[in-house]
Amino acid sequence: SQQGEEDPQALSIQEGENATMNCSYKTSINNLQWYRQNSGRGLVHLILIRSNEREKHSGRLRVTLDTSKKSSSLLITASRAADTASYFCATDVESGYSTLTFGKGTMLLVSP
Amino acid sequence: NAGVTQTPKFQVLKTGQSMTLQCAQDMNHEYMSWYRQDPGMGLRLIHYSVGAGITDQGEVPNGYNVSRSTTEDFPLRLLSAAPSQTSVYFCASSRSSDSAQYFGPGTRLTVL
Repeated sequence: SQQGEEDPQALSIQEGENATMNCSYKTSINNLQWYRQNSGRGLVHLILIRSNEREKHSGRLRVTLDTSKKSSSLLITASRAADTASYFCATDVESGYSTLTFGKGTMLLVSP
Repeated sequence: NAGVTQTPKFQVLKTGQSMTLQCAQDMNHEYMSWYRQDPGMGLRLIHYSVGAGITDQGEVPNGYNVSRSTTEDFPLRLLSAAPSQTSVYFCASSRSSDSAQYFGPGTRLTVL
């Protein structure tokens, strides 16, 4: 069963616009991570936010975490065509089962 | 550092054949895992290892075996291939279960 679910499933924007993707999860977590996957490639780690953090930045990326709502958002500012990829959230649940559970991803298309 | 390497990149098997997907990492990571990625399903964990000699099952372990004799290598064995195992397989490694995972480029497997 999926722990994290991304929303929307697909997002299409123009270069320069901001892109926001959301992730909801079901059980308490230790941390939440966001990954990017370009077509036909492996996943690349973007950012990790721990359960006691509310916001984290990395370059043009901003991640928020609301543990009371069991949700996170990934904001990409000033999108570029090179940001076209699928984005996945992954959660490390608090139960001690030491694995990450991935959502199904948001497919982002940034048009020039 | 080569990071996480996987071989082969592509493989076609006939039903009932067996094979081993190779995975190696040169980052001295204790934690390694195997995922499969199917369209619309996200990534699902097959098996993982928290160190040499220690392995455990993930969400979809049936039909697969793993072993971890060294820190560097984590091969995935398909015992008797079935068409349902047609998928893209990713190996990943990390310092620990709650840190960023580094993914290999994937193996695209087709079972006829």
